[in-house]
Amino acid sequence: GAVVSQHPSWVICKSGTSVKIECRSLDFQATTMFWYRQFPKQSLMLMATSNEGSKATYEQGVEKDKFLINHASLTLSTLTVTSAHPEDSSFYICSATPSRTENQPQHFGDGTRLSIL
Amino acid sequence: AQSVAQPEDQVNVAEGNPLTVKCTYSVSGNPYLFWYVQYPNRGLQFLLKYITGDNLVKGSYGFEAEFNKSQTSFHLKKPSALVSDSALYFCAVRDNSGYSTLTFGKGTMLLVSP
Repeated sequence: GAVVSQHPSWVICKSGTSVKIECRSLDFQATTMFWYRQFPKQSLMLMATSNEGSKATYEQGVEKDKFLINHASLTLSTLTVTSAHPEDSSFYICSATPSRTENQPQHFGDGTRLSIL
Repeated sequence: AQSVAQPEDQVNVAEGNPLTVKCTYSVSGNPYLFWYVQYPNRGLQFLLKYITGDNLVKGSYGFEAEFNKSQTSFHLKKPSALVSDSALYFCAVRDNSGYSTLTFGKGTMLLVSP
């Protein structure tokens, strides 16, 4: 149980393109989902907390107009990288915790490798 | 503010030998502690957690971790390493005040040689 699906797993696109990444909780409802960014051989950096039905909470230094987050349902959050540039190339990972569970672990998607040419 | 330290960038161990991956933490209040493993180009897989109760926590794939409050540590251990255990391991902490966010350590690469 507690499966998180992330799509696509790999994206290569031209500079200036906008890219949408989907994160779905397949067998549980998630009021809150999290978006992380990971650089090679580094830890996960929390970008934002996605809240169902309300605005996302962004971490300091993360541009909210650059990284658009939508959490329209209890099982889906999307991250859109707008007008992507080579410096946006990275590994993006989402996670989710079942709603109304305080001490359960976060369950992670398999990540999306984004390469901007 | 909460933080996690994983002092070793890499741990090398021979197959069949015991392994330890170190983690220390800092958090206000009582900690919720987690270990995750990451294989190349994959997300994180949950291994085990400490919330309360016994200090020795057993998890997936034969891994265990010992919570030590006085030393603020949560080291990951396995009695007998497998080559397939080679991966990147992350320790994470959050406090017990509702839905606070996880803070991850920088990760430790475990390499198990045949």
